[in-house]
Amino acid sequence: GAGVSQSPRYKVAKRGQDVALRCDPISGHVSLFWYQQALGQGPEFLTYFQNEAQLDKSGLPSDRFFAERPEGSVSTLKIQRTQQEDSAVYLCASSFNRGTSGYTFGSGTRLTVV
Amino acid sequence: KQEVTQIPAALSVPEGENLVLNCSFTDSAIYNLQWFRQDPGKGLTSLLLIQSSQREQTSGRLNASLDKSSGRSTLYIAASQPGDSATYLCAVIITGANSKLTFGKGITLSVRP
Repeated sequence: GAGVSQSPRYKVAKRGQDVALRCDPISGHVSLFWYQQALGQGPEFLTYFQNEAQLDKSGLPSDRFFAERPEGSVSTLKIQRTQQEDSAVYLCASSFNRGTSGYTFGSGTRLTVV
Repeated sequence: KQEVTQIPAALSVPEGENLVLNCSFTDSAIYNLQWFRQDPGKGLTSLLLIQSSQREQTSGRLNASLDKSSGRSTLYIAASQPGDSATYLCAVIITGANSKLTFGKGITLSVRP
């Protein structure tokens, strides 16, 4: 597609519920990142894929967070047993060549845990 | 650890004013620096990308400069308009195997008609 597509745009989850957030990067982009943005803050790094390989997951806040990109294109960020502190906007970004030409971000998924 | 700082957190100016948004970073070994715009409830829109070997980039009324040695970048907005009201974020990529962006917290700009 022309841009990075994320779905759903909004998600309300009850505390303890599992959620799955989807990112469809620009076709041909090998690098894919997930970021978490709390209200009034800059985005914080969660995890990085190069093709299907997850090269860095150091930003995942707990083992309840899991990300995958099995075929090197679409990626899913899964959060198990959601908690209120997980409420944030989750942003996905992709790049053709590891950032040399910059990154393109999706519109994000706003997750609210109630 | 790379830290990116943007001060002030918020700025309000009258329409037509030229303004400068500042960004500073602690580690000068950056690969490139990117300025983004974020409208309320929206994702990030890339404004300008400056490679580490470059000093500045221009797009329309926007000009971004980079001084690696001092760890600073500025985004200059000429003849500001109410439509420029948004949050402006700068982000750097440090040299290394993981090309992740490290962001500042952003500057929320309000341009008054």
